[in-house]
Amino acid sequence: EVQLVQSGGGLIQPGGSLRLSCAASGLPVSGNFMTWVRQAPGKGLEWVSDIHTDGTTYYADSVKGRFTISRDNSKNTLYLQVNSLRVEDTAVYYCATSFALVPLHAFDFWGQGTMVTVSS
Amino acid sequence: DIQMTQSPSTLSASVGDRVTITCRASQSINNWLAWYQQKPGKAPKFLIYKASSLEDGVPSRFSGSGSGTEFTLTISSLQPDDFATYYCQQYNSYPITFGQGTRLEIK
Repeated sequence: EVQLVQSGGGLIQPGGSLRLSCAASGLPVSGNFMTWVRQAPGKGLEWVSDIHTDGTTYYADSVKGRFTISRDNSKNTLYLQVNSLRVEDTAVYYCATSFALVPLHAFDFWGQGTMVTVSS
Repeated sequence: DIQMTQSPSTLSASVGDRVTITCRASQSINNWLAWYQQKPGKAPKFLIYKASSLEDGVPSRFSGSGSGTEFTLTISSLQPDDFATYYCQQYNSYPITFGQGTRLEIK
């Protein structure tokens, strides 16, 4: 059974930083294409970032240069380092993935989500 | 970027009704379209991939169709558990984009 268990998040002031974690079981983060998606309060889903099996990364324009996706294969964990946070980054952040071993795919599996609130 | 537009934004229906939600892409996405169901406070649930393929375990009252730029999600006979918000997603190219959502509410 695949499980994605998220941690991190919280209340942070504008300009601050956080690291979000997504611990995977049932599949190797190194062997799968992993994704972060976010959802602002009362809003729809927004793709944030992908990391491919070869380590190639992709970012939404809204977070490029401020967010960094990475993984620790030994811990089987995906990360999202979020820097220079803005009020508009306030959202629930989800990690997601699929058994489909292709770069672009739908998301079979989702973490439970972690809330990031950016406010002074 | 490929824009995904869902309609309607809100849909009121009764248990037993047949409902259809439409998702239009701003350019062809070669059927690389998924549908999700989301309930308040929960992660999205994967329903359909490649426009019309039902994910394992999803009830057969859900179906997807369409091609090119226009797609639909149909629920053949609404059940109480189906009242939720539905999103489409294109995975033809980066950036991956979602529709704005359709809230399905009880009439």
